[in-house]
Amino acid sequence: NAGVTQTPKFQVLKTGQSMTLQCAQDMNHNSMYWYRQDPGMGLRLIYYSASEGTTDKGEVPNGYNVSRLNKREFSLRLESAAPSQTSVYFCASSTHYSGSGGYEQYFGPGTRLTVT
Amino acid sequence: GQQLNQSPQSMFIQEGEDVSMNCTSSSIFNTWLWYKQDPGEGPVLLIALYKAGELTSNGRLTAQFGITRKDSFLNISASIPSDVGIYFCAGQRPGGQGNLIFGKGTKLSVKP
Repeated sequence: NAGVTQTPKFQVLKTGQSMTLQCAQDMNHNSMYWYRQDPGMGLRLIYYSASEGTTDKGEVPNGYNVSRLNKREFSLRLESAAPSQTSVYFCASSTHYSGSGGYEQYFGPGTRLTVT
Repeated sequence: GQQLNQSPQSMFIQEGEDVSMNCTSSSIFNTWLWYKQDPGEGPVLLIALYKAGELTSNGRLTAQFGITRKDSFLNISASIPSDVGIYFCAGQRPGGQGNLIFGKGTKLSVKP
């Protein structure tokens, strides 16, 4: 059981380049999330997917797009990278989207992205 | 947007000391979670709390869901060097559709 995996672990982009961050979970979780973590800002939600086939914006969605490819995989795309998108990106998953309990989110190891 | 106030921002520990940190909010939460993050790693879930007043332990860690539902506390007893890291609280609001709000973290370091 690998839990939540993310690729790549590190990436350097030039301004204007595009890339896709990959995330997969093997816990049969319904919900998946993308966060960014910046110094002093904590974790901020970019996009989430409550269940396969649905995606919604979080707190900081501008400049990003997502795809819930299937129940296991949730990708984050930067269409035209900007220096302000330099950050550490974490993918997470959880069992339930609504109802009681099941809100525990499990995180991947992160992707460290630098945009020059 | 919704804010969680986590304190202290940082603290130094000496091996064997007890450590306390807390999170407060102006709004009520249905769920409180505590995570620990080591350098270069993702956050790891430590404790989950689902009921007001609930007190839950995980080894030397004890967390409580405040009775007002607006706060939560994490205590670490008899700290050891591997307790060093950043601790985050996270809360789930009523009607929050499962999304978590995170505090900005408490950084634990070893006293020089």
